[in-house]
Amino acid sequence: DSGVTQTPKHLITATGQRVTLRCSPRSGDLSVYWYQQSLDQGLQFLIQYYNGEERAKGNILERFSAQQFPDLHSELNLSSLELGDSALYFCASSARGSGGKDTQYFGPGTRLTVL
Amino acid sequence: EDQVTQSPEALRLQEGESSSLNCSYTVSGLRGLFWYRQDPGKGPEFLFTLYSAGEEKEKERLKATLTKKESFLHITAPKPEDSATYLCAVHDYNQGGKLIFGQGTELSVKP
Repeated sequence: DSGVTQTPKHLITATGQRVTLRCSPRSGDLSVYWYQQSLDQGLQFLIQYYNGEERAKGNILERFSAQQFPDLHSELNLSSLELGDSALYFCASSARGSGGKDTQYFGPGTRLTVL
Repeated sequence: EDQVTQSPEALRLQEGESSSLNCSYTVSGLRGLFWYRQDPGKGPEFLFTLYSAGEEKEKERLKATLTKKESFLHITAPKPEDSATYLCAVHDYNQGGKLIFGQGTELSVKP
C-alpha cells in the first residue's frame, strides 16, 4: 500500500458526460501528479500540482482540468467524454515535487470506461 | 525530445533462469532514473531510483544499474511471483516533476 488513495475504483459513463476523479496524497506529501494509462500510449503525464499551485503540464486535453485543494487532495475533471478517454487514471504524490530524489508513489488508479 | 525505450517488450523465463531488462533513454538533463513494477490493473510500485552513471541498487532478486545512456534491471533466479510489467521512467530537470515512462517490459516467469 503506497498511502495514496483514489476514488472511485471504477467509473462507467457515456460519451458527452462529465466525471470527477479524486486523489488523496500520502501524509505529508505536497505534490500531486495525474497520469493516464491506455493500452497504446503507456503512462502519460497529464498535470502536476504543488501545494495548491499548478507546477507542470503535459499533453492534457482542454476538456480535462484539475485542482488541488487546501487539504492537498486533488480532483481531475474530465468533460465532454469521448470513447478514446477510456483508460486507467493514476494519481501519484511526492514530498516536494521537484523531481530527482523526490520519489513519486502511485495510487491504485481509477478505471474509466466511456460507452 | 526526451525519450525512454524499453526492451524486450515481453520476456518469458523459466523459474530460476536469470536475465536482464534494458531501458535506454535520451534526456537533456537526467535528474533520476526510476524503476517501477506494475501488476495488471494496479498502480505502479516503486522499486529503485538511480542518479548517476555507475550507481547500482539491489532488492531481493532485483539489481538495477545505470550508465550514461541506459539502465539494466537484472533478475537473478526469478520466481513466478516476479511476473509483472516493469516500467522505467526518467526525470528531466528541465521538465518540473514530470516522469517520462517507457512502454514497459512484460515479464512472465513459469514454474
